[in-house]
Amino acid sequence: DTGVSQDPRHKITKRGQNVTFRCDPISEHNRLYWYRQTLGQGPEFLTYFQNEAQLEKSRLLSDRFSAERPKGSFSTLEIQRTEQGDSAMYLCASSWNSRISPLHFGNGTRLTVT
Amino acid sequence: DQQVKQNSPSLSVQEGRISILNCDYTNSMFDYFLWYKKYPAEGPTFLISISSIKDKNEDGRFTVFLNKSAKHLSLHIVPSQPGDSAVYFCAARSGGGADGLTFGKGTHLIIQP
Repeated sequence: DTGVSQDPRHKITKRGQNVTFRCDPISEHNRLYWYRQTLGQGPEFLTYFQNEAQLEKSRLLSDRFSAERPKGSFSTLEIQRTEQGDSAMYLCASSWNSRISPLHFGNGTRLTVT
Repeated sequence: DQQVKQNSPSLSVQEGRISILNCDYTNSMFDYFLWYKKYPAEGPTFLISISSIKDKNEDGRFTVFLNKSAKHLSLHIVPSQPGDSAVYFCAARSGGGADGLTFGKGTHLIIQP
């Protein structure tokens, strides 16, 4: 168990640019989640996948946000035309396919939009 | 609208004493509850969970209590150790709808030597 891996750890970008983050889940886990965390707040659920199927995406913050998990393994989160309000920590988590399985989080990607 | 509330932003406890972190929820559809611990610059780490069919779950120094009628849960840490200093998040999962966890804002626990 090598844990959930996220890349990059930090990303600084200028407003209007597109950014993409990568998440590699724990290999045996077939569920993968994306969260956003801002200062002083708890993680906020964005979307999740079961294998390659995106089962919930209504919580994505706007149509500038999209996520993929093309082969049911790693996932990417893309933000197009970034805005300063997108500055946050983006967390990825994975779990077994069970409602009582806890989520295991990566260390996140910190995005700063200037 | 905060469905999971942690009303104490911070809590200071002496080493060796009991730490009690509280969490309230409003959504009666929540049926699975978890506590996470977070150090700076790291992701949240799972600590302990409880299903709504139970009122207590224990794992070493950590015990979670659930009071469904009051929509309240608490995390007890006994005895508190310096390494327990971190931000603790309460989270809940609904029996229906989207399968993501809903988190509280967290409580910063500081263990004093």
